[in-house]
Amino acid sequence: QKEVEQDPGPLSVPEGAIVSLNCTYSNSAFQYFMWYRQYSRKGPELLMYTYSSGNKEDGRFTAQVDKSSKYISLFIRDSQPSDSATYLCAMKGTNDYKLSFGAGTTVTVRA
Amino acid sequence: ETGVTQSPTHLIKTRGQQVTLRCSSQSGHNTVSWYQQALGQGPQFIFQYYREEENGRGNFPPRFSGLQFPNYSSELNVNALELDDSALYLCASSLGPVSGIRETQYFGPGTRLLVL
Repeated sequence: QKEVEQDPGPLSVPEGAIVSLNCTYSNSAFQYFMWYRQYSRKGPELLMYTYSSGNKEDGRFTAQVDKSSKYISLFIRDSQPSDSATYLCAMKGTNDYKLSFGAGTTVTVRA
Repeated sequence: ETGVTQSPTHLIKTRGQQVTLRCSSQSGHNTVSWYQQALGQGPQFIFQYYREEENGRGNFPPRFSGLQFPNYSSELNVNALELDDSALYLCASSLGPVSGIRETQYFGPGTRLLVL
């Protein structure tokens, strides 16, 4: 079993829809949770980070962490074609020096 | 502020050869981490360098080695290349090696390596 599980999709939605992405994990020591966006043939770009459980909102993006269920989510409201990319969840523990990534979910927003 | 840069952008090698990839960290960052991202997969941690010392290593064989220089730039060297080494190699820099918001890792664009 992988330490971080993420459905690879692909996910295709019409413009303006809400995109819902999620990851599950097995390591209860994870405390920091991140979402990266990666366009084709580019490096990952940090979108959101949260510490421990709770919600965080930034513009059209909302990140949620439920540590009791070992489940994290990213919601994208009013999706745009420019949101078409692969979304990677990543996480680490307090004293970890590395990030543990999910496999990424490929999202296409149709105009 | 200058972001993370990597060179070269693309590289083609044959099996058994050696390769060196380079990374310049973001201004003010003293820690560099290297990741391997195979097609359709998430990045896998190779190792991290902090103040010119290897600070941690993932599940990669010794033929993957690295260096960090006094200006915090870094190199990834891979000897005896294998076909499975074909991947996007990502460098990420951070303010420090320990987890925390200020130690968030920022990635470069990557070097795409193809081994034939």
